[in-house]
Amino acid sequence: EAGVAQSPRYKIIEKRQSVAFWCNPISGHATLYWYQQILGQGPKLLIQFQNNGVVDDSQLPKDRFSAERLKGVDSTLKIQPAKLEDSAVYLCASSPPGTSGYNEQFFGPGTRLTVL
Amino acid sequence: QKEVEQNSGPLSVPEGAIASLNCTYSDRGSQSFFWYRQYSGKSPELIMSIYSNGDKEDGRFTAQLNKASQYVSLLIRDSQPSDSATYLCAGDAGADGLTFGKGTHLIIQP
Repeated sequence: EAGVAQSPRYKIIEKRQSVAFWCNPISGHATLYWYQQILGQGPKLLIQFQNNGVVDDSQLPKDRFSAERLKGVDSTLKIQPAKLEDSAVYLCASSPPGTSGYNEQFFGPGTRLTVL
Repeated sequence: QKEVEQNSGPLSVPEGAIASLNCTYSDRGSQSFFWYRQYSGKSPELIMSIYSNGDKEDGRFTAQLNKASQYVSLLIRDSQPSDSATYLCAGDAGADGLTFGKGTHLIIQP
């Protein structure tokens, strides 16, 4: 079974530029998550999708971050304009349908973003 | 606010010994808990899930949950150098994504 795919793996941009990340979840996984992991910290949830609807985006900085999941499969996360503090690894995860509350999530390889 | 607390370490354990990793959580609504292993420069890898009070064993790993004390632990028996990594504890209150601790850096000394 193929895992969660993400691209690009690395991205270096200057502050105030824009950037987009792409994620393809494990086949059949209806729920998709974007996390931000700053060096030395645990991942922090940015947004959760159930199919193509947003379940939780309470921690997404909406003035600069946006995300979409068209057709309930692939997802993109965009940052515009980027700030220095956005330097982090952006992780995409997906979870299979199952018993409510049993939320095993599987992570992709991540995109390491450096903002200069 | 939901919080998951872990000692950041490093925790140093001799090869072949038992490594004990601990975590506490603040949200009594959390139903299930997960341990992820993260090697440097890699993404988190799920190694254990636990939903009920008590112990759950899988190979060399045992997860323990005590909901009354809001405490989760992970034991690694017969520790190997390849177990050296950061271990992330995460809790799930049902409808949200996971709340992660900062992770414990484990070093297995040959």
